Amino acid sequence: AQKVTQAQTEISVVEKEDVTLDCVYETRDTTYYLFWYKQPPSGELVFLIRRNSFDEQNEISGRYSWNFQKSTSSFNFTITASQVVDSAVYFCALSELSASKIIFGSGTRLSIRP
Amino acid sequence: SAVISQKPSRDICQRGTSLTIQCQVDSQVTMMFWYRQQPGQSLTLIATANQGSEATYESGFVIDKFPISRPNLTFSTLTVSNMSPEDSSIYLCSVEYRSEAFFGQGTRLTVV
Repeated sequence: AQKVTQAQTEISVVEKEDVTLDCVYETRDTTYYLFWYKQPPSGELVFLIRRNSFDEQNEISGRYSWNFQKSTSSFNFTITASQVVDSAVYFCALSELSASKIIFGSGTRLSIRP
Repeated sequence: SAVISQKPSRDICQRGTSLTIQCQVDSQVTMMFWYRQQPGQSLTLIATANQGSEATYESGFVIDKFPISRPNLTFSTLTVSNMSPEDSSIYLCSVEYRSEAFFGQGTRLTVV
């Protein structure tokens, strides 16, 4: 069975600090996709990244970076120089198909204090 | 990308009544999905709706409580039947379009 674990329920840091959100997944599939979504207080889901299981290259997008390690079944997300606008709930997710039947982790509530 | 419009965006309903949520997408899609997000919780898949066939429900969700229609390739509805306060949640529609997942803005339902 597929499962996504986000052990950090809540994280609070001061603005400009770096913060890493952990994500550990379980799947028996050899082909799968991993996602990160952001859910700000307004409630909508904002897509951040999708990675397939054959691409272990780390990704950097501005202040955001992702570290995918199949050996530890982890897909961690780091925000560098955090800003107040980064405050949101962040979900890590997994799917055996590219965009179908996505299994979400429990989410990590990130609060950035000014 | 696919743009999804969900209606209503929010509603407050009396227990025992039913609410139908509409999901309209601006492109033809094969697969549409309905998720539920209970307060402070993660998203849970309710069912998969393919045009021309019965919806497929996940464990813990039944058609009598959450009937789904999928009359064409751009539209779906989810009905929350005989509501109780435990049904208070955000309900989200999602589609797979060109191998990408897109989500609607969600319907915030409060049952009193």
